[in-house]
Parts: sequence; C-alpha cells; structure tokens
Amino acid sequence: EVLLVESGGGLVRPGGSVRLSCRASGFTFSNHWMTWIRQAPGKGLEWVASIKEDGSENFYVDAVEGRFTVSRDNAKNSLSLQMNSLRAEDTAVYFCVTGLAVAAFWGQGTLVAVAS
Amino acid sequence: EIVMSQSPAILSVSPGERATLSCRASDSVTNNLAWYQQKPGQAPRLLIYSASTRATSIPARFSGSGSGTDFTLTITSLQSEDFAVYFCQQSQSWPFTFGGGTKVEAK
Repeated sequence: EVLLVESGGGLVRPGGSVRLSCRASGFTFSNHWMTWIRQAPGKGLEWVASIKEDGSENFYVDAVEGRFTVSRDNAKNSLSLQMNSLRAEDTAVYFCVTGLAVAAFWGQGTLVAVAS
Repeated sequence: EIVMSQSPAILSVSPGERATLSCRASDSVTNNLAWYQQKPGQAPRLLIYSASTRATSIPARFSGSGSGTDFTLTITSLQSEDFAVYFCQQSQSWPFTFGGGTKVEAK
C-alpha cells in the first residue's frame, strides 16, 4: 500500500521559513517523480513543485520560484519542501503526491498558515 | 499558462441519476487531462488520466471523454459516496493547472 505522510506544517510569520517533509512507503520511491500540490482553505488546487527521480531536475510554479526549494533523499524515501520568505498567500494545505503529470497517490496534507 | 474552466460550479443530482461534468482548457491539452475527486476533509483521489483511462480501483460508473480543449466526466447511476468536489487538471504544459472544481451535491 502506498503511504505518504507529510509533516512540518504550522503557524509561521510573514517572511519566515518552514520545511515540510514527506515520508514515503509502499513503493519504490527512487523510481518516481514526486510533487507538492497545495490547496488554500476553501479553494482549489495548485501544483507547486516537482522533482525528478534522481533529483537532477525540478519545476516550480512562478508564484514560489526563488522562494521554495524541493529536494529528496532516496536513501530515506523522503521528500522535502523548504519554504522561505513566506507570504499570507502561501497559506494552504500542502500535499505530497507521486508522479509528475498525474498525481496518482496523495498524502493527507499538512497545513501551513502564514499570519502575524 | 493554460487556464482550466469547469462547469457547472454546483451540480444537484439525485442518487441513481447520471451526472455530467464539463472541463474546458484555454488551449489544447490533447489528451493530457486528469480528473480527481475530493471529499470534505480528505485529499483528492485520482479518478481518470489521459482523458479516459480509469485509475486503479475506480468503479466503471466513472468515465472520461474528450480531447483538445473540451472534456467530460460522466458518473452513471450516482451513488451516495459520489457526492464530492471534482477537479480536472492538465499536464500538457508547465505549470500544470487545475480547474476550479464542480461540487456534486444531493438534489
């Protein structure tokens, strides 16, 4: 069974930083692109960042380019999202998902709230 | 950026009836279109990819069609567990984008 468990969310001040983590199990992590997708409260979905199987390539949505960094540790089956210079509009539930073009499996999400 | 539009925003359907949801892309996405279902308090679940291929364990009452810019998700004989929000998503070009969603509610 594919299992994705996110952690690291919480309340952060504007301009602050937070690091999200995702532990993966139930599949060969190193064989899959991984992605972060977010959902602002009561809103739709936004594809945030994706990283290639070996970490050699990644993509970011313009809204987070230069502020967020996606990384992975295949030895630990772990995906991370370093979020810097946070803004109120970054407030959302962040989901860890498998895949690049299609989000096949999803974690339960972790909430990041940016407020003073 | 390709903008995805979904209609209607809210669809009221009785159990056992057919539900037809629409998704339109601002530019052609060929068949790079997926559908997701999201229930309150839960993560979305993949239903359909490549416009018409059902994901693993998805019941046959869910079907997808279309290509280019116009797509349809059809739920035949709606079950009580199908009341949810449905999102379409394109993967033709980065950034991959979602539609705003269609809420299927009980009539």
